[in-house]
Amino acid sequence: NAGVTQTPKFRILKIGQSMTLQCTQDMNHNYMYWYRQDPGMGLKLIYYSVGAGITDKGEVPNGYNVSRSTTEDFPLRLLSAAPSQTSVYFCASILSDSAFRALHFGNGTRLTVT
Amino acid sequence: TQLLEQSPQFLSIQEGENLTVYCNSSSVFSSLQWYRQEPGEGPVLLVTVVTGGEVKKLKRLTFQFGDARKDSSLHITAAQPGDTGLYLCAGASGGSYIPTFGRGTSLIVHP
Repeated sequence: NAGVTQTPKFRILKIGQSMTLQCTQDMNHNYMYWYRQDPGMGLKLIYYSVGAGITDKGEVPNGYNVSRSTTEDFPLRLLSAAPSQTSVYFCASILSDSAFRALHFGNGTRLTVT
Repeated sequence: TQLLEQSPQFLSIQEGENLTVYCNSSSVFSSLQWYRQEPGEGPVLLVTVVTGGEVKKLKRLTFQFGDARKDSSLHITAAQPGDTGLYLCAGASGGSYIPTFGRGTSLIVHP
């Protein structure tokens, strides 16, 4: 199994541009998450989804949007890029049949906004 | 918002030394997980602890969950360069699948 796949791995955006970070998982997990990771700040939750058609805001949702039209895919959209959105973005998923399962993470997208 | 405080933020040690990383909160968690993250990759689960006072061992790594389920520690014995990475703790309460992450401890083990 491929697990959680994120594309692209790297991207440079100019201020004001928009883009979509792709995330797909092949484990039939119902929960999916988007986190951003800044140096020394751990992982901050941007948005999450408990299943197809259902999304909810996390701790830092401003400037982002998501959709979940299928179980497999959970794209994250940056609406108008700002330097504060320079970060590493991680997508993760979990099957909610047990409280003790691991989050499965992708390998991240490193985004720079200049 | 539940907060998890990790300490220390950075550790730079020599191969063979022992170390302990702490994860503390004022909130009670029903489960707490430790992840390790290597450069350019996503975090990978090391262990989940769920019972107050629980101790789990994974080779040279020992994980402990506090009796009150508000804190946890990770002890590494005889650290090796392969232990280098970012260690993250994450806690969840009740039936939540939305964990709270600590800020992480960046460990460098020099040969």
